[in-house]
Amino acid sequence: QQQVKQSPQSLIVQKGGISIINCAYENTAFDYFPWYQQFPGKGPALLIAIRPDVSEKKEGRFTISFNKSAKQFSLHIMDSQPGDSATYFCAASREGSGNTGKLIFGQGTTLQVKP
Amino acid sequence: ETGVTQSPTHLIKTRGQQVTLRCSSQSGHNTVSWYQQALGQGPQFIFQYYREEENGRGNFPPRFSGLQFPNYSSELNVNALELDDSALYLCASSPGQNYGYTFGSGTRLTIV
Repeated sequence: QQQVKQSPQSLIVQKGGISIINCAYENTAFDYFPWYQQFPGKGPALLIAIRPDVSEKKEGRFTISFNKSAKQFSLHIMDSQPGDSATYFCAASREGSGNTGKLIFGQGTTLQVKP
Repeated sequence: ETGVTQSPTHLIKTRGQQVTLRCSSQSGHNTVSWYQQALGQGPQFIFQYYREEENGRGNFPPRFSGLQFPNYSSELNVNALELDDSALYLCASSPGQNYGYTFGSGTRLTIV
């Protein structure tokens, strides 16, 4: 019940295209869903996050879509650029008083944006 | 530039030895978590410290232990190292619950 399943494992997109990464979770107590971007040799960097009271959040070229009933959320990268080539992780946690805020990560998606 | 600094960046140890990894968080970040990231995998939660006390633990044995200090620094200690402990160890800090976590660049630990 603690799992977060992420797909696809790898993704190749042409420059200017849309990259879409999907995640599904099981624990309905999760209330914080961040996406992290990780470059080789670096730690994950927070990209964008959403809470279940909204269905979509957009920040620049990055959009999270959230479907509470389906227990799924996805990351859309519009106008993908070669500099977006990295590994992307979805995660989920249960925030709030009394909880650790432990992040449960998906398995990761390696994105390659071709020039 | 991340506000979380980890040291050392790389470390090679022999099976059976003990290791201490260090993390320096941003001022005011009283919550710190440690994660283990095996090659090609997502980070796995080891434990979290809040105001110098352990506040949650993942599925890791007791030979993984930690400390958090009043100056927002923390340590991860691993005893009796095993080959499977080879991984990237990440520290993440937060100013408190309901806030996002900032990760350091990690320590790459190799056990030979």
